[in-house]
Amino acid sequence: GQQLNQSPQSMFIQEGEDVSMNCTSSSIFNTWLWYKQEPGEGPVLLIALYKAGELTSNGRLTAQFGITRKDSFLNISASIPSDVGIYFCAGLYSGAGSYQLTFGKGTKLSVIP
Amino acid sequence: DVKVTQSSRYLVKRTGEKVFLECVQDMDHENMFWYRQDPGLGLRLIYFSYDVKMKEKGDIPEGYSVSREKKERFSLILESASTNQTSMYLCASSPILAGGKSYEQYFGPGTRLTVT
Repeated sequence: GQQLNQSPQSMFIQEGEDVSMNCTSSSIFNTWLWYKQEPGEGPVLLIALYKAGELTSNGRLTAQFGITRKDSFLNISASIPSDVGIYFCAGLYSGAGSYQLTFGKGTKLSVIP
Repeated sequence: DVKVTQSSRYLVKRTGEKVFLECVQDMDHENMFWYRQDPGLGLRLIYFSYDVKMKEKGDIPEGYSVSREKKERFSLILESASTNQTSMYLCASSPILAGGKSYEQYFGPGTRLTVT
């Protein structure tokens, strides 16, 4: 099946720093989704991107749908301790009779106060 | 707000037991999904359903079955639990595809199943 490479796998950053993570694929997607998962909880949708080149913000979070439709990035500005968690990207391809959501393996973010 | 609930947060079962995991969503979504999540392997799709009584195999259906008798409820069944089915199980729902939008999946809080 389709595969997503998400990087980095983990990050340790100082509170107040900006964070950047990305996902790449050899396949094209129609939609990119970014989720955050806190320990013991299910993933929560942060941002959805529907068009190549689209740049969308949600508070301190900004995500972009790559122009080639094969990649996406998520930036977090001025990180705070509650940003801790695992961030997942997911790419969706939907075509005739086909609907497949593929997840990256996650970026584990630790914020040092 | 979309709400997806799962019947148990934590479950401990013995090898060979039949296990039922229940998921309910309150947003009238057509699509429902079951995943398992394991360290280093990420989220893997077990089964999904587009409609009542419809089901499709995902990437790892072996050892599992599902039931969707009502639109809001999607059950995952482990016919004979084994230790390699110890995992975090996540249910999700999403509205039907329409005009290129509404592809988001909304997740429940998860059930951490331990099989001993």
